[in-house]
Amino acid sequence: GIQVEQSPPDLILQEGANSTLRCNFSDSVNNLQWFHQNPWGQLINLFYIPSGTKQNGRLSATTVATERYSLLYISSSQTTDSGVYFCAVEGNFGNEKLTFGTGTRLTIIP
Amino acid sequence: DTGVSQDPRHKITKRGQNVTFRCDPISEHNRLYWYRQTLGQGPEFLTYFQNEAQLEKSRLLSDRFSAERPKGSFSTLEIQRTEQGDSAMYLCANQGLLGLAQNNEQFFGPGTRLTVL
Repeated sequence: GIQVEQSPPDLILQEGANSTLRCNFSDSVNNLQWFHQNPWGQLINLFYIPSGTKQNGRLSATTVATERYSLLYISSSQTTDSGVYFCAVEGNFGNEKLTFGTGTRLTIIP
Repeated sequence: DTGVSQDPRHKITKRGQNVTFRCDPISEHNRLYWYRQTLGQGPEFLTYFQNEAQLEKSRLLSDRFSAERPKGSFSTLEIQRTEQGDSAMYLCANQGLLGLAQNNEQFFGPGTRLTVL
């Protein structure tokens, strides 16, 4: 099946810093989503981005489908950004479920 | 709030007991997924329904697990004869299909955290 790798596994930053999280995937996809998992386990949708670039406030994401990677940018980090960030992909027809990476744990220090 | 609800939010049970979880989806989204997440890992696919039809089951779904989606609305996931290895967060997700929703984005419920003693 499709493989998803996220890097780095852990990231500790000072409040106000910028960060870049990376997701590599092994096959063509028709869905790529970025999630933030809060301390209670809820997966919060950040971006649906199978290709292209999107921005939402301090967050932005870019997916280069031909090169099989996606990047999540967080600017001016706040302590509330702490948590685990997951990338998940859905393959083409016949592989219609999300395959998740192992996540990046982000810790923002005041 | 994604509009997907799950019940119960927490369940503690003794090994060997049966448990049942419920997921109430976003009404217009016709695909419903179940995932399982263990500590330190990303969620893993278990099974999915399109309307009332169960279309795919993961090899993770042993014969002790059964899922239903009667009438294509809410879904239940039952685990029989629970084992300690079943302890995990069980997540339900909805997806609308292209043409019926803006895209095929999945939206997750808050999960049911199962602890098997």
